[in-house]
Amino acid sequence: KNEVEQSPQNLTAQEGEFITINCSYSVGISALHWLQQHPGGGIVSLFMLSSGKKKHGRLIATINIQEKHSSLHITASHPRDSAVYICAVNMYSGGGADGLTFGKGTHLIIQP
Amino acid sequence: NAGVTQTPKFRILKIGQSMTLQCTQDMNHNYMYWYRQDPGMGLKLIYYSVGAGITDKGEVPNGYNVSRSTTEDFPLRLELAAPSQTSVYFCASSYVRPDTEAFFGQGTRLTVV
Repeated sequence: KNEVEQSPQNLTAQEGEFITINCSYSVGISALHWLQQHPGGGIVSLFMLSSGKKKHGRLIATINIQEKHSSLHITASHPRDSAVYICAVNMYSGGGADGLTFGKGTHLIIQP
Repeated sequence: NAGVTQTPKFRILKIGQSMTLQCTQDMNHNYMYWYRQDPGMGLKLIYYSVGAGITDKGEVPNGYNVSRSTTEDFPLRLELAAPSQTSVYFCASSYVRPDTEAFFGQGTRLTVV
């Protein structure tokens, strides 16, 4: 069974700081997703990666397939970035039809 | 587009009752999924469907049933609710391939007492 590990589990930072959240996985994947969940809210897709790097506004996601590792970076963090960030993967076996395998999430709090 | 719509948002059930969680997507997605989210745990797959008329079990299917009579709808049925089914349930969908962007509903918070 693939395991998706995220670190840190909890992160509190000051507004403006550069934030990094890490994700490691143990087997081959066809894609990796970064998701955002606000308290009591739904889940929103931020990025889907199969290689390289993607950027959207202040968010950057990278993946290293050889090292089975991905990072999510937030530049110039803001209190509205406070949320749970979830890493999830499509396992390569079976084409990923059996859904995503999720990490436990990183609870991020940005203080003003 | 509404995306993925789940109803209800909240529900309290008594032990032994049954209910159906509704999920509808208007994006013509082939793949649909039901997940449950428990505190401190990653989301777990309950059931999934790769198209109308085709469903399959995920990691935690016991106590649940699904059907997929149309591309749009993927209801989740809870029979004989138990306290262990207290959770937040998410429906999700993706397009032709499962390793494409996933779209999630807003979630259903279910409490079984």
